[in-house]
Amino acid sequence: SYELTQPPSVSVSPGQTARITCSGDALPKQYAHWYQQKPGQAPVVVIYKDSERPSGIPERFSGSSSGTTVTLTISGVQAEDEADYHCQSVDSSGTWIFGGGTKMTVL
Amino acid sequence: EVQLVQSGAEVKKPGESLKISCKGSGYSFTSFCIGWVRQMPGKGLEWMGIIYPSDSGIKYSPSFQDQVTMSVDKSVSTAYLQWSSLKASDTAMYYCARLTGYDYVEYWGRGTLVTVSP
Repeated sequence: SYELTQPPSVSVSPGQTARITCSGDALPKQYAHWYQQKPGQAPVVVIYKDSERPSGIPERFSGSSSGTTVTLTISGVQAEDEADYHCQSVDSSGTWIFGGGTKMTVL
Repeated sequence: EVQLVQSGAEVKKPGESLKISCKGSGYSFTSFCIGWVRQMPGKGLEWMGIIYPSDSGIKYSPSFQDQVTMSVDKSVSTAYLQWSSLKASDTAMYYCARLTGYDYVEYWGRGTLVTVSP
């Protein structure tokens, strides 16, 4: 079955740049979207359609796509960005799928 | 303001049935699909399926086909997720979500925690 693969965890110091990847064979043909989830809260979309940022999401969040990998980049990481990040896309049959999630720790 | 209000936490025993709800407001309920997402304790997000309120069409994720039933009542702008016989492994947070035409979630409910324990 189709999978989206994310690293289980990333660590970054405040002010540095965090990059979280998501890989999947269908990503060249399908958009990917990113959600931030803080403990005890519902997810929030931070990037949609690979690189679009919803209103209200800080400019330090950006997304890019290259081949079978999409990347969420958080520039100038702040303590409040510590959260789980989930990528999401759709497979060739139209079934939605999430990556396994990445826990980002701000050191 | 768009809101998805989910029903409260439930504690059930294995074998019992359950129906949880998700009421949409602040938008045209039949104009947007509703999805259901499971999050088991300490784990990631899993798509369960999507329901189309306009015609009650449903697309289940293969992993959840025959495990749950999704439905909708347009008259009260509410989507439902139900189990006929719960298992301990159904213990999880369940989120409903309003989807966009670009296949992502724009709005989430706060979740319904389901605990299944003897």
